Amino acid sequence: SAVISQKPSRDICQRGTSLTIQCQVDSQVTMMFWYRQQPGQSLTLIATANQGSEATYESGFVIDKFPISRPNLTFSTLTVSNMSPEDSSIYLCSVGRGQYTEAFFGQGTRLTVV
Amino acid sequence: AQKVTQAQTEISVVEKEDVTLDCVYETRDTTYYLFWYKQPPSGELVFLIRRNSFDEQNEISGRYSWNFQKSTSSFNFTITASQVVDSAVYFCALSEWGAQKLVFGQGTRLTINP
Repeated sequence: SAVISQKPSRDICQRGTSLTIQCQVDSQVTMMFWYRQQPGQSLTLIATANQGSEATYESGFVIDKFPISRPNLTFSTLTVSNMSPEDSSIYLCSVGRGQYTEAFFGQGTRLTVV
Repeated sequence: AQKVTQAQTEISVVEKEDVTLDCVYETRDTTYYLFWYKQPPSGELVFLIRRNSFDEQNEISGRYSWNFQKSTSSFNFTITASQVVDSAVYFCALSEWGAQKLVFGQGTRLTINP
């Protein structure tokens, strides 16, 4: 299994500000993903973080709002920009290690925008 | 497009009862993975099982069992002799073969009452 550390675990932010969430994995992984879970809802994929190139965003998510970095095979960041209360969610980092393994998740970042 | 449906939004049972969580999926892929995750109140996602589309054998792990039926596109999860600690939101998910990014169902909130 992979050990994934996400920081911060929770935060309360003012609207209009930005928050950067970090995801650190204990070993190199090919794939890293960012998901959003709005209150009482399911998980929705935001984007795939690609090492050495731009992230691949899912429909409804844009780079200006959710810029992603992936400088190496063990680390990625997700920034939630110009936040509004609608951005209050749990953001989860996920990694995969080969097509025959389960997807591993970090403990999540619980974001509240006020 | 892929889709996962968990028709049961909430289930409440008394401890020691058996409970089955339903999951129906849609995909055009002939090869794919199915997953079940548990999300306790703390928010992290706990991996329970991965099943590939080639393997229709049922699986049992302690009090947990899974019934995969390709003919009905279902992957149901049964907890036998439920316990209060089983209370959580349970998600069924689907991924393309090798893709590792997941499409989640809406989740079923399971409450086990003492």
